[in-house]
Parts: sequence; structure tokens; C-alpha cells
Amino acid sequence: DAGVTQSPTHLIKTRGQQVTLRCSPKSGHDTVSWYQQALGQGPQFIFQYYEEEERQRGNFPDRFSGHQYPNYSSELNVNALLLGDSALYLCASSHRQSFSTGELFFGEGSRLTVL
Amino acid sequence: AQTVTQSQPEMSVQEAETVTLSCTYDTSESNYYLFWYKQPPSRQMILVIRQEAYKQQNATENRFSVNFQKAAKSFSLKISDSQLGDTAMYFCAFMNNAGNMLTFGGGTRLMVKP
Repeated sequence: DAGVTQSPTHLIKTRGQQVTLRCSPKSGHDTVSWYQQALGQGPQFIFQYYEEEERQRGNFPDRFSGHQYPNYSSELNVNALLLGDSALYLCASSHRQSFSTGELFFGEGSRLTVL
Repeated sequence: AQTVTQSQPEMSVQEAETVTLSCTYDTSESNYYLFWYKQPPSRQMILVIRQEAYKQQNATENRFSVNFQKAAKSFSLKISDSQLGDTAMYFCAFMNNAGNMLTFGGGTRLMVKP
């Protein structure tokens, strides 16, 4: 049973560029959440998708956008990259029926470096 | 908005000993969930233990147990018989009853020494 998979694992961009990160949820999961983890800090919630719509959003600017496909996979897009966007981006999946358990399954993340 | 605070940036423990990691949180909600996640160098966040706020009994998972003090808004993690594989970052996290987002603390880096 494949867990949460993310791609790419590492990438380097320059300021002003755009980046797309991808996530495939664990088999049987229909909900994907994205988190940003700056170096030495705890993850911060960016947004959550299910039924192909953004359902909840954290305190992130509109430069951060996402998408969920019918197969439940998801993308995180960041436009006009800033140095401060350098971080580990974590994808977490769950099933809406198990929201009450609160258990999320995380991928290994995509490490973004902005120069 | 909820906040989660971990006041111990780093801790170390000898193999086979017991260590306790601290966590406090702030919320106005009465029903919620608390978690401890482990993040080894591989970066993947792994759930260690979960506590429902409406349950008075402290959760236990093998060598891991919590001390949940709802009135004090405290949620500490005790690791017994520490193993080298327990070396990792540990994050305390809060989830509201809607179950739609986790709020994490800043983490505690735990090193288990042989």
C-alpha cells in the first residue's frame, strides 16, 4: 500500500519564479492538506482540499494556490517566489470519514530553496 | 486562534532511560484533539500518539504515554525505555473538532545517547 508520495523531493528556484509541487494521497484517502515547514520550525497549515475544492485556508497570501484532481491527487503552486518561501512543503492525506480521529498521513516533503 | 507551545528546544536522554517532553496549548474550544508527531531525519511526519480532549484517561501506545491536563492545557509526552531510533524532532499538535487543520508547536529535538 503506497503511502503519501510527493514530487519533486528537492528543487531550487530563483526569486520571482513560479513552482508547482505535487502530491498523491494514500490509497483510499480523499482529502489533501498542505503545510509549510521553515527550517527549525513546526509546520504551518496552508490549505486543505477535498471534492476538488479548497475547503480551509491558513494565513498565506494568494500567491499560494492549489488544485485537486478527480483522482484526489493535488498540486501546490507558488507564484512570484520570495526568499522566505524557502521551506519544506509537506502534503498530508486523510479521509473525510475519519476527520474525527484527526489522523493525517504525511509525505516526505518537497524541499524548496529560493535563491 | 489556537496556539501550541513547546518550551524545550532540545533534550537528550540515555538509552533505556525515560524522558518527558512538554507541551502547552491555548484554545477556547471544549472538544478537540491533541497529537504528538515524530519527524526523523527522513522528514516524514509520523503519528506517535493521539488524545481526545473529552477522554479523561491518558492515551498510551507501547513505550509512549501522555499526561493530559485539560484544565491546565498541558499535554506532555513520556517516552519510556528510550531507544536510539527515538532520536528525532517531536511536534505537539492541536486539531479542532472540525478536523480540518493541525496547529503545530515549534518542536523539541530529542537525542537518545548510547
